[in-house]
Amino acid sequence: EDQVTQSPEALRLQEGESSSLNCSYTVSGLRGLFWYRQDPGKGPEFLFTLYSAGEEKEKERLKATLTKKESFLHITAPKPEDSATYLCAVQAGSNYQLIWGAGTKLIIKP
Amino acid sequence: EADIYQTPRYLVIGTGKKITLECSQTMGHDKMYWYQQDPGMELHLIHYSYGVNSTEKGDLSSESTVSRIRTEHFPLTLESARPSHTSQYLCASSEYSGTVTGELFFGEGSRLTVL
Repeated sequence: EDQVTQSPEALRLQEGESSSLNCSYTVSGLRGLFWYRQDPGKGPEFLFTLYSAGEEKEKERLKATLTKKESFLHITAPKPEDSATYLCAVQAGSNYQLIWGAGTKLIIKP
Repeated sequence: EADIYQTPRYLVIGTGKKITLECSQTMGHDKMYWYQQDPGMELHLIHYSYGVNSTEKGDLSSESTVSRIRTEHFPLTLESARPSHTSQYLCASSEYSGTVTGELFFGEGSRLTVL
């Protein structure tokens, strides 16, 4: 069964303390892996698409990487405004619909 | 900023009432979706549409129904609400771009509470 697992469930960091969020997946025929940011009470906001192992994408303090089994979202020198829940989703095989992880709640303390 | 709007943002109703959650987008996207999200849980697809007069059920069984008679409008209806329907409902849209359809634009959600 296709599955997406995110870890940790929650992560508390001090401002400026770099870290990584993990998204591991078990699917047949990955078509794409997607990262979203979700603020409380809002809908998710698209961040990145990764298509194949070895690919990397960057946006401000965020960098997403992809291997054959997992993706990492690296956050460098985070600021309090980076606090949010980060969601990972994959599209695989002949199923055009996304399979979502439960998210990592990131809290950056000033 | 995404141009997709959901109303109402918050709704508290009694059991047995009929409700319609509205969703409209101004981007001209063919694909639209309804997701259900509970706190700390994954998003679950309940309905989707690939265009006018096209609607399909998603992976999560739902007693709701949808319609798509205009490209920009994708309302969701519950004929008789129950406490088990209490949840956050998220509407989304995307361009038709072949087989990879992961860049979705979401509305801000409708938080439904059924007493």
